[in-house]
Amino acid sequence: AQSVAQPEDQVNVAEGNPLTVKCTYSVSGNPYLFWYVQYPNRGLQFLLKYITGDNLVKGSYGFEAEFNKSQTSFHLKKPSALVSDSALYFCAVRGVRRALTFGSGTRLQVQP
Amino acid sequence: DGGITQSPKYLFRKEGQNVTLSCEQNLNHDAMYWYRQDPGQGLRLIYYSQIVNDFQKGDIAEGYSVSREKKESFPLTVTSAQKNPTAFYLCASSGPDRTNSNQPQHFGDGTRLSIL
Repeated sequence: AQSVAQPEDQVNVAEGNPLTVKCTYSVSGNPYLFWYVQYPNRGLQFLLKYITGDNLVKGSYGFEAEFNKSQTSFHLKKPSALVSDSALYFCAVRGVRRALTFGSGTRLQVQP
Repeated sequence: DGGITQSPKYLFRKEGQNVTLSCEQNLNHDAMYWYRQDPGQGLRLIYYSQIVNDFQKGDIAEGYSVSREKKESFPLTVTSAQKNPTAFYLCASSGPDRTNSNQPQHFGDGTRLSIL
């Protein structure tokens, strides 16, 4: 069975600084990985996905993620954080049922 | 605009009562999913449906039931057998995969269910 781990419950960064939200995964076969963002009392919004190809994936709102097969990681990054990036971020891996297995989420807090 | 509509936004259940959460999509997606979100636990899969008139149990299906009579609709019933139903419920859908591209799931804005 596949699994996803997000080791940090919360990440704090200052506005303008780079941010990283960590994700590691466990899956048999090729991983199909996703990042989603959730704002309070809302559904999840798709940010980016890794299927195959380049290890650096670019997504919405200036976010990107780096796939590392040897470390089984898929960390979310952004070069310069905005206060409006403050939200809950989920990493997910797709299974054979096409349903997603999610990590527990990381709350990103960007201070002005 | 195409999207997923969940209703109601807030729902209260009395003891011993069944309640039904609505999920409608106009994205023409074949696959639909129900997830439950609890604080600090991420999202867990309740039921999913890959096609009309077919659905499968997810990881935490006990105490829940679904139907898929129409492509655009996938209602979830929380039965009285579900002893801890207080949670945020999210519905999602996804389209067919294309060559070298798995389609992401699109989510509704959720229904928050509480016990009276």
